Amino acid sequence: EVVMTQSPATLSVSPGERATLSCRASQSVSTNLAWYQQKPGQAPRLLIHGASTRATGIPARFSGSGSGTEFTLTISSLQSEDFAVYYCQQYDDWPPWTFGLGTRVEIK
Amino acid sequence: EVQLVESGGGLVKPGGSLRLSCAASGFTFSTYTMNWVRQAPGKGLEWVSSISSSSNYIYYADSVKGRFTISRDNAKDSVNLQMSSLRAEDTAVYYCTRGDGDYVHWGQGTLVTVSS
Repeated sequence: EVVMTQSPATLSVSPGERATLSCRASQSVSTNLAWYQQKPGQAPRLLIHGASTRATGIPARFSGSGSGTEFTLTISSLQSEDFAVYYCQQYDDWPPWTFGLGTRVEIK
Repeated sequence: EVQLVESGGGLVKPGGSLRLSCAASGFTFSTYTMNWVRQAPGKGLEWVSSISSSSNYIYYADSVKGRFTISRDNAKDSVNLQMSSLRAEDTAVYYCTRGDGDYVHWGQGTLVTVSS
């Protein structure tokens, strides 16, 4: 099973600042990596697939990078609506399809 | 517009059973793999089960294997999750999702609480 490790667990950022979230896979997943955003009481929303491709309707301030075992989600200038929990997920080696434990982005 | 609507959640005693359903609309259901993903209260996301478009391929997480059964009815555009021998650790919001890897579309979720 591919274990996904996200860091940090919590990230405190001021509005307008840049946020950088990390995700590491226990083995190479190529670019078969997705990022999701989840707000309280809501279902997750796909932000990024293929490690770097924004999903439909996702603002350009969200960008993904990486391949193999190291991945990054960057939010270039945090807006109030971006404070949420972010999950990475691999879909290269399955089953199971595995998620990281999440990074909470909170207001500093 | 793609819509996934889960139903069937509720309170059940340990050892009991429950059947979740997901009604799909807005796309050609019979051509897509469907999945169940769950989230325990205050916890992260856990993939539970997947079923291919023609039900030829079915997968389960080890945590539910032998207790849960996924099925689909392409004539009714629905996917089901039959859950038995339920445990306290199965308490979660269960989401229905569409897709083979990354999940673009999610339902709103249905809460399953296993408690005596």
